[in-house]
Amino acid sequence: GIQVEQSPPDLILQEGANSTLRCNFSDSVNNLQWFHQNPWGQLINLFYIPSGTKQNGRLSATTVATERYSLLYISSSQTTDSGVYFCAVVGGTSYGKLTFGQGTILTVHP
Amino acid sequence: DTGVSQNPRHKITKRGQNVTFRCDPISEHNRLYWYRQTLGQGPEFLTYFQNEAQLEKSRLLSDRFSAERPKGSFSTLEIQRTEQGDSAMYLCASSLPSGAGQFFGPGTRLTVL
Repeated sequence: GIQVEQSPPDLILQEGANSTLRCNFSDSVNNLQWFHQNPWGQLINLFYIPSGTKQNGRLSATTVATERYSLLYISSSQTTDSGVYFCAVVGGTSYGKLTFGQGTILTVHP
Repeated sequence: DTGVSQNPRHKITKRGQNVTFRCDPISEHNRLYWYRQTLGQGPEFLTYFQNEAQLEKSRLLSDRFSAERPKGSFSTLEIQRTEQGDSAMYLCASSLPSGAGQFFGPGTRLTVL
């Protein structure tokens, strides 16, 4: 099946700093989503981005499907950005099941 | 617009007991998915429904696990003869057939003693 690798595994920032999270995938995809998992376990949708670039406030994402990677940018980070960020993809031959990466644990200190 | 809901939110059971979880998807979504997440890992796919038809099952879904979506609306996931290794967060998601992606519920955290 399709493989998803996220980097870095851990990231520690001071409030106000910018960061870039990366997601590499091993095959063509029909869907790519970025999620933020809060401390209670809820997966919050950040972006649905199988290709192209999107922005939502301080967050933006870019997926280059031909090169099999996606980037999530967080600008002017806040302590509330802390948590686990997951990239998940639907492989080209799948009905729709998401395959998740291992996540990036982000900690933002005040 | 209500999101995906799951009940119960927490379940503690003894090894060998049966448990059942419920998922109510977003009302117009005809696709429904179950995932399982253990500590420190990303969620792993268990099974998928389109309307009432179960179209795909993971090898993770052993014979002790069964999922249903009888009327194409809510779904139930039952685990029989629970084992300690079943302790995990069980997540449900729903989606439309095209575009927009999957939306997740808050999950049911199962602890098997």
